[in-house]
Amino acid sequence: NAGVTQTPKFQVLKTGQSMTLQCAQDMNHEYMSWYRQDPGMGLRLIHYSVGAGITDQGEVPNGYNVSRSTTEDFPLRLLSAAPSQTSVYFCASRLRGQGRKTEAFFGQGTRLTVV
Amino acid sequence: DAKTTQPNSMESNEEEPVHLPCNHSTISGTDYIHWYRQLPSQGPEYVIHGLTSNVNNRMASLAIAEDRKSSTLILHRATLRDAAVYYCILLNYGGSQGNLIFGKGTKLSVKP
Repeated sequence: NAGVTQTPKFQVLKTGQSMTLQCAQDMNHEYMSWYRQDPGMGLRLIHYSVGAGITDQGEVPNGYNVSRSTTEDFPLRLLSAAPSQTSVYFCASRLRGQGRKTEAFFGQGTRLTVV
Repeated sequence: DAKTTQPNSMESNEEEPVHLPCNHSTISGTDYIHWYRQLPSQGPEYVIHGLTSNVNNRMASLAIAEDRKSSTLILHRATLRDAAVYYCILLNYGGSQGNLIFGKGTKLSVKP
């Protein structure tokens, strides 16, 4: 199993540019989420999805869009990048529901710099 | 969401046990206690979780106080590879769809 795959690993954007961070998982997990991690901080939840066609906002959703058309993929879109979005982004997935094995699996991260 | 309190940092010697504490005095009856760790330059990885009883797995043990207001992650023999930030997280599956909300965690240093 590949687990959770994020692409790209590194990206430099100019202010105002747009881009999509890709996240794919091959474990048939219903639940997927995006986090950002700034230096010396814990992870903050941006958006999450509990299944195809269903998304919701997390703690810091402003400036980011998501959609979930398939179970496997959960892309994160930056419509107009700002320097404040410089961060490391992590995607995670897990099975829904208690009583089942519900550990979350994280990707290796995308390091984004906005200049 | 219920909050957790952890020390900012701890030190350990290699091959000695490590006890990482977590306080969660406002825990609800349906909150599960989860532990994740993040090695340098990597994404977080699951360590262990429990509800009321102590739990053991190949990575660690989780000791939960009888009143559930605190818990302790136990690494039985620390290795250099265990140097990481450890996060204690309360997870309520029935509440907010099971979002993992991270605090700042405890940075564990392991000395050879």
